[in-house]
Amino acid sequence: NFLLTQPHSVSESPGKTVTISCTRSSGNIASTYVQWYQQRPGGSPTIVIYGHNQRPSGVPDRFSGSIDSSSNSASLTISGLKSDDEADYYCQSYHTTNVVFGGGTKLTVL
Amino acid sequence: QVQLQQWGTGLLKPSETLSRTCAVYGGSFSAYYWSWIRQSPGKGLEWIGEINHSGSANYNPSLESRVTISVDTSKNQFSLKLNSVTAADTAVYYCVRDGRSYAFDVWGQGTLVTVSS
Repeated sequence: NFLLTQPHSVSESPGKTVTISCTRSSGNIASTYVQWYQQRPGGSPTIVIYGHNQRPSGVPDRFSGSIDSSSNSASLTISGLKSDDEADYYCQSYHTTNVVFGGGTKLTVL
Repeated sequence: QVQLQQWGTGLLKPSETLSRTCAVYGGSFSAYYWSWIRQSPGKGLEWIGEINHSGSANYNPSLESRVTISVDTSKNQFSLKLNSVTAADTAVYYCVRDGRSYAFDVWGQGTLVTVSS
C-alpha cells in the first residue's frame, strides 16, 4: 500500500491564498482519484474536492484541487481566505479496494 | 436530502465486540457503497470498510481479521461489528456514503465509542 503525507499545519492571513500538499509515497498520484475533506472543530468531515479537481455543488470556487505527477503530489488551494476556512483538511485516495487518508493539515487563518 | 443516523453501544470493555448500525434516509440505497470510517481522539481518519446493497464488502487490510460489515436492504441499514476491541479502538465512528470512486460525499454525525476497563 501507499502513504499520503501532508504538512501538519499551515497558516495564512485572511484574503490570502494557501496551498496544502499531499504527497503519495508510491504509485502514480494520477492513477486513482484524490479527494479533499474539510473538518471544522467538533464536526464531521465534508468533501470539498473530488476526482482530483472537481468541486461538489455548494463548495465555493475559492477551493481548487490539482495534481502534479512530477512530485507525485496533490494540492488543495484556497484563495481569498476567510476565518471560516480555519479547519483540518484531509486528502484521500485509494488503491483497488483500500482507502488511504493523509494525516491531515490544520489550517489557521491568522 | 440523504441523512445517515447511527446507533450502538458507546462504552465497551477490552475484548468485547463493537456493534453499530447506520440507517440511510432519503436517496437511493442500492446505488452506492456505504462505508464506516473512524477517527481516534486528536488523530486522523481511518477507513474501516464498505458494503453495497448486494452484500459485497471490502475491508481495510489492517482491520480485516476483526471486522464484519453487513447490510439489511429491507431497512436501508448497514452495520459494523469489530471484535476483540482494545483501547486503540476508542474513536469517533462515522457512517458514510461513497458517492463515486471513493469520494465520501455524505457523512453521518460521528459517535464516540470508548473502550475502557
